[in-house]
Amino acid sequence: DTGVSQDPRHKITKRGQNVTFRCDPISEHNRLYWYRQTLGQGPEFLTYFQNEAQLEKSRLLSDRFSAERPKGSFSTLEIQRTEQGDSAMYLCASSLAGLNSPREQFFGPGTRLTVL
Amino acid sequence: AQSVTQLGSHVSVSEGALVLLRCNYSSSVPPYLFWYVQYPNQGLQLLLKYTSAATLVKGINGFEAEFKKSETSFHLTKPSAHMSDAAEYFCAVKKAAGNKLTFGGGTRVLVKP
Repeated sequence: DTGVSQDPRHKITKRGQNVTFRCDPISEHNRLYWYRQTLGQGPEFLTYFQNEAQLEKSRLLSDRFSAERPKGSFSTLEIQRTEQGDSAMYLCASSLAGLNSPREQFFGPGTRLTVL
Repeated sequence: AQSVTQLGSHVSVSEGALVLLRCNYSSSVPPYLFWYVQYPNQGLQLLLKYTSAATLVKGINGFEAEFKKSETSFHLTKPSAHMSDAAEYFCAVKKAAGNKLTFGGGTRVLVKP
């Protein structure tokens, strides 16, 4: 399967713990995006990378959140000192870059985080 | 800032009936518009996208959407609902010069036999 993959699919943690999620994009895609989706809502943009450069961050991405894409391939999203409000589905997407073009973003299955 | 409004968080249709999901956007310039479908515990799958070519866009699974600039709308339709259409549908916009998608709140479709 050559789609976007995410690991783990589910994570249950206690408040205050740190968690890290991984996303593997489609291999030739140079753009990678993270979104957060809470129950009953649409996804909300968190951040995106072009190759290894993090080019945009949402105000939703507090200081406890950090994302990396060290070699321009897979990406990790870490949440430190988790809070119950962090419980959500974290979605990763990837696309090709294109100036002013509507390149389709391909989404992974998501990581569902539950903070107890 | 862009925003997307989907009227109706839940829609119930009978199998074989018309599916109509409404989406209105706010944007100072015509953006790119998308409809995604999400099945339970899965990621989002693109149904169709508007890229300023034709105003009537055909997508997968028999869905289509019409871009109406005067109404700032991009409603999704399917002439005849199938049981497999039961899912959540999201409308999204992207600025022409931007990168991120801004999603509506979603509409959950229930198909009755």
